[in-house]
Amino acid sequence: AQSVAQPEDQVNVAEGNPLTVKCTYSVSGNPYLFWYVQYPNRGLQFLLKYITGDNLVKGSYGFEAEFNKSQTSFHLKKPSALVSDSALYFCAVRDMYQGGKLIFGQGTELSVKP
Amino acid sequence: GAGVSQTPSNKVTEKGKYVELRCDPISGHTALYWYRQSLGQGPEFLIYFQGTGAADDSGLPNDRFFAVRPEGSVSTLKIQRTERGDSAVYLCASSFKERVYRGLRIYEQYFGPGTRLTVT
Repeated sequence: AQSVAQPEDQVNVAEGNPLTVKCTYSVSGNPYLFWYVQYPNRGLQFLLKYITGDNLVKGSYGFEAEFNKSQTSFHLKKPSALVSDSALYFCAVRDMYQGGKLIFGQGTELSVKP
Repeated sequence: GAGVSQTPSNKVTEKGKYVELRCDPISGHTALYWYRQSLGQGPEFLIYFQGTGAADDSGLPNDRFFAVRPEGSVSTLKIQRTERGDSAVYLCASSFKERVYRGLRIYEQYFGPGTRLTVT
């Protein structure tokens, strides 16, 4: 079975500092990994994905993620956090055996304080 | 362009009633997914359509839940005899179908704003 885990329910960062939101995965076969962000009372917005190729993936709003096969991790990063980055972040893995449904982690609440 | 839209944005219904939730995907997207998100949780898969057919309905919790996509565009999620445990945000997503020919292309799913269902 494929799964992702987000070990931190909440991450607190000061504005201007780098941020990391952690994600580990468990898959059989090649991992296809995604990060989404959810603002209050809104749907999920796509940030970035890893399919193949470079381990460092760049996405929207200055976010990037590092794929590490040996550690089965796909951590989301940003060099300098903004207060407006405060939101709920979800890591997901795509199930390639039954139509490509996404399997989500439980989410990490990011709080960026001025 | 227009994103995925869902109606209604909020639905309050009494236990035992029937409800329909509608999803309008992005034009040209052949793949359509329904997910359910409970408070404090990540979205959980319900059903996947490729065109008009339900290619994977393994996430539907029981036979009270049903979904259709008769013309390969708009989809309706139908819940019969609603229970309080059905209360959640129902999310719809659409994407292009993944392509294998001439190189693998995996497309991201674009989500609608959701329908918040409350069963009293």
